[in-house]
Amino acid sequence: IQMTQSPSTLSASVGDRVIITCRASHSISGWLAWYQKKPGKAPKLLIYKASTLESGVPSRFSGSESGTEFTLTINSLQPDDFATYYCQQYNSFTVTFGGGTKVEIK
Amino acid sequence: QLQLQESGSGLVMPSQTLSLTCSVSGDSITTGEYSWSWIRQPPGKALEWIGYISQRGSTYYNPPLKSRVTMSIDTSKNHFSLNLTSVTAADTAVYFCARGHRGLHPSYYFDYWGHGTLVTVSS
Repeated sequence: IQMTQSPSTLSASVGDRVIITCRASHSISGWLAWYQKKPGKAPKLLIYKASTLESGVPSRFSGSESGTEFTLTINSLQPDDFATYYCQQYNSFTVTFGGGTKVEIK
Repeated sequence: QLQLQESGSGLVMPSQTLSLTCSVSGDSITTGEYSWSWIRQPPGKALEWIGYISQRGSTYYNPPLKSRVTMSIDTSKNHFSLNLTSVTAADTAVYFCARGHRGLHPSYYFDYWGHGTLVTVSS
């Protein structure tokens, strides 16, 4: 199953609302996770089952799904949110990640 | 708080074997029904899952890498390991170990990760 993220890069300002999209090549029945990755640091799980927020993750992060299209929304972007975001499908034992979306400072 | 730490050779010659170990602290590697995974990220590229191993030693590898990958687990030392044979420059990447969480889900997402270790394949 291929996961296609868009955009690959996004420029935004503190306080903006940011939307990242991930599209699956086949149905994954909502089995999707989102991660935040900063240079030199471990990836951080943000959301699983498309919209369930991992414990401790700020509520400005949210996820949604519509068929094979999934979105990660960051409301009121904070300085700590500038990072690269990845989606991952886990509908099958062979899990796959999206190509990533880098959120840059505008 | 669960912590994972990768260790191993940072420079590997082409055609040789890459060997890494992930040491788990903060809880036993046998607690719960989790898998233990390796995931890598080549420079400037996306994350690529390599494989899982269960606490009982059952494994599942990413098909494109399957012929070259072996994973093992040592519950007495609370760590698990990766061997990747016949490496080429394309295997240069930051290698992460991670805990896979499944519960009632069909497969695993990853809730704890190590910080990663850079492995360079070069002569």
